[in-house]
Amino acid sequence: QKEVEQNSGPLSVPEGAIASLNCTYSDRGSQSFFWYRQYSGKSPELIMSIYSNGDKEDGRFTAQLNKASQYVSLLIRDSQPSDSATYLCAVNLQTGNQFYFGTGTSLTVIP
Amino acid sequence: NAGVMQNPRHLVRRRGQEARLRCSPMKGHSHVYWYRQLPEEGLKFMVYLQKENIIDESGMPKERFSAEFPKEGPSILRIQQVVRGDSAAYFCASSPRVNTGELFFGEGSRLTVL
Repeated sequence: QKEVEQNSGPLSVPEGAIASLNCTYSDRGSQSFFWYRQYSGKSPELIMSIYSNGDKEDGRFTAQLNKASQYVSLLIRDSQPSDSATYLCAVNLQTGNQFYFGTGTSLTVIP
Repeated sequence: NAGVMQNPRHLVRRRGQEARLRCSPMKGHSHVYWYRQLPEEGLKFMVYLQKENIIDESGMPKERFSAEFPKEGPSILRIQQVVRGDSAAYFCASSPRVNTGELFFGEGSRLTVL
C-alpha cells in the first residue's frame, strides 16, 4: 500500500465549476497535510496546508481533512483555466522526517 | 530573497559517467530534501539533509547514489556510473524548520542518460 494515494485523473471541469481533488494516506499518525500545484515542466509550489480536522479556506481554495477516515481533499471554487495543472497531495508521516507525495491529479479547466 | 537554486537545469550524460547536481537552499533554510520525478509519476523522496548531516536517506538507492550538504556551499546529489533508468527530473527543496511541510522547491535538474 502506498503512503499517499490520489486519483491520477485526468479531471476535467468547465470554467466556473468546482473542482474536487481527493487524497488518502496510510499512516494514521500523520500530522501535517499539504497540497502542491505543479504546472507542466515546472516545480511544485505549496498552495495549502492543513493540520487539524475540518475545513481550511484560502480564497478559492478549501482544504478538508478527516483524520478518522485518513482522507484529505482540495476544493477549487470558480475554477479558472489557469488552475489547469497537476495537484500533488503531500503528507508528513509520523515515522520519519520525509514528506511523501501522491502521484498527483491532473486537472484541466475547460474555458 | 533568492529562491532555491538548482544547477544545472539540464544535464546530459552517457552511460557510465557521473552526474553531479547542486542545490543552494533559500537563505536561512538549513533543511534540504531531494526528490526524483519520472514522467507521469509523483515525487519520490530520496534524502533529507541538514548542514553536514544526512538525516534520512531511506529513499536513496543503495548503490551509485550519494548526497551531501557541507558546512559551506550547496548540497550535492551525486550519481555515479549513470544508467538510462536514472533519467529523470531531480528536485531539491528547502525548509526553514523541520517537519513544517512548507517545502520550497527549486526548478529542478533534468538528467538525460544516453
